[in-house]
Amino acid sequence: DQQVKQNSPSLSVQEGRISILNCDYTNSMFDYFLWYKKYPAEGPTFLISISSIKDKNEDGRFTVFLNKSAKHLSLHIVPSQPGDSAVYFCAASARIQGAQKLVFGQGTRLTINP
Amino acid sequence: DSGVTQTPKHLITATGQRVTLRCSPRSGDLSVYWYQQSLDQGLQFLIQYYNGEERAKGNILERFSAQQFPDLHSELNLSSLELGDSALYFCASSLRTSVGNEQFFGPGTRLTVL
Repeated sequence: DQQVKQNSPSLSVQEGRISILNCDYTNSMFDYFLWYKKYPAEGPTFLISISSIKDKNEDGRFTVFLNKSAKHLSLHIVPSQPGDSAVYFCAASARIQGAQKLVFGQGTRLTINP
Repeated sequence: DSGVTQTPKHLITATGQRVTLRCSPRSGDLSVYWYQQSLDQGLQFLIQYYNGEERAKGNILERFSAQQFPDLHSELNLSSLELGDSALYFCASSLRTSVGNEQFFGPGTRLTVL
């Protein structure tokens, strides 16, 4: 039962262009959504988050959009830079059985081409 | 550097054996989470401890157990190992089980079961 899905295992974008990473979820109890970035041989690092009461959050080159009716969120990176090449995980948070739990998607490998 | 440390970095062992993975959270963080990442899979939540007590359980096998000690470091014990247990095991920590639930990840322990 994959509650958080990232349907694109990989994405390739030209440097300077916009990268759009997508994520779908099924559980309407999720109240917070996060994006993590992971480089090889390192643990994931937090990138940006959004509360379910908002539809957009922006931090520099990174913007996350949330469409609750479609149970869909996306991460926009503009302009894309070579250092953005990494695996991006979407995660959703909900209080389940009395504790806040994070559920991760499978990840999307983003490659920025010079 | 997230401030979360994990040892060992790599572990190679045989089927049927038992291993212990260790995690030291960021200074001041009370919550510790364990995740498993198998090949081409997303992060699967295993278990969470908060200030020494088990707080939430995910997809953790009965052969696996964990604990958090008074100094807040945590250990994940994996026994009767099978080939399918080969994976990256991440530990993460957070100050509390907050709504935003931003977690700080360690670099991971790569377990190979031969």
